Amino acid sequence: DTAVSQTPKYLVTQMGNDKSIKCEQNLGHDTMYWYKQDSKKFLKIMFSYNNKELIINETVPNRFSPKSPDKAHLNLHINSLELGDSAVYFCASSQVLTGGGDQYFGPGTRLTVT
Amino acid sequence: AQTVTQSQPEMSVQEAETVTLSCTYDTSESDYYLFWYKQPPSRQMILVIRQEAYKQQNATENRFSVNFQKAAKSFSLKISDSQLGDAAMYFCAYRLYNFNKFYFGSGTKLNVKP
Repeated sequence: DTAVSQTPKYLVTQMGNDKSIKCEQNLGHDTMYWYKQDSKKFLKIMFSYNNKELIINETVPNRFSPKSPDKAHLNLHINSLELGDSAVYFCASSQVLTGGGDQYFGPGTRLTVT
Repeated sequence: AQTVTQSQPEMSVQEAETVTLSCTYDTSESDYYLFWYKQPPSRQMILVIRQEAYKQQNATENRFSVNFQKAAKSFSLKISDSQLGDAAMYFCAYRLYNFNKFYFGSGTKLNVKP
């Protein structure tokens, strides 16, 4: 059973296009995240949702818009893709207010913008 | 501000030997969690070990153990009997007890030599 799943795992697209990445967790966690990992492997948080409510919104261009239809899903939509958006995007989830708060990651989506 | 520093960008260890990866963090809080994550070439982020700041006893998971020095704000990971499968990027992370933002270090690439 996959705990945190992301689709697609690979995404190749041209500049200016709009694309979405979907994430689902079956762990019953209350919090979900989006991270961006650049070519130097630096992991940077982008957004976090707690029970469908946006609670962390780091300095991210407005072209990135997260959407959480329910607490098990967190999607990321990117408008007008740019070369600098090429990276691996990770979805993650955790149970923060109770439990150990361990964060579980999805397999990542490698986005390549040409 | 919370920051996590991993001062070793890359390390090497001989198979079956022991290696220690360093991590320091900066916080004024007293209740928090610390984590080590492993990212092999498959890019999947895997939780290796977790330490609660209120626990004085160092966490251990099989061949992985930590040396948690709260006063020094140090959280190193020791890998005993290194195996080829331990080769990966290792990330240190910090989270406040009741807040869902994780802070990650820049990672240490571990090479394991046969």
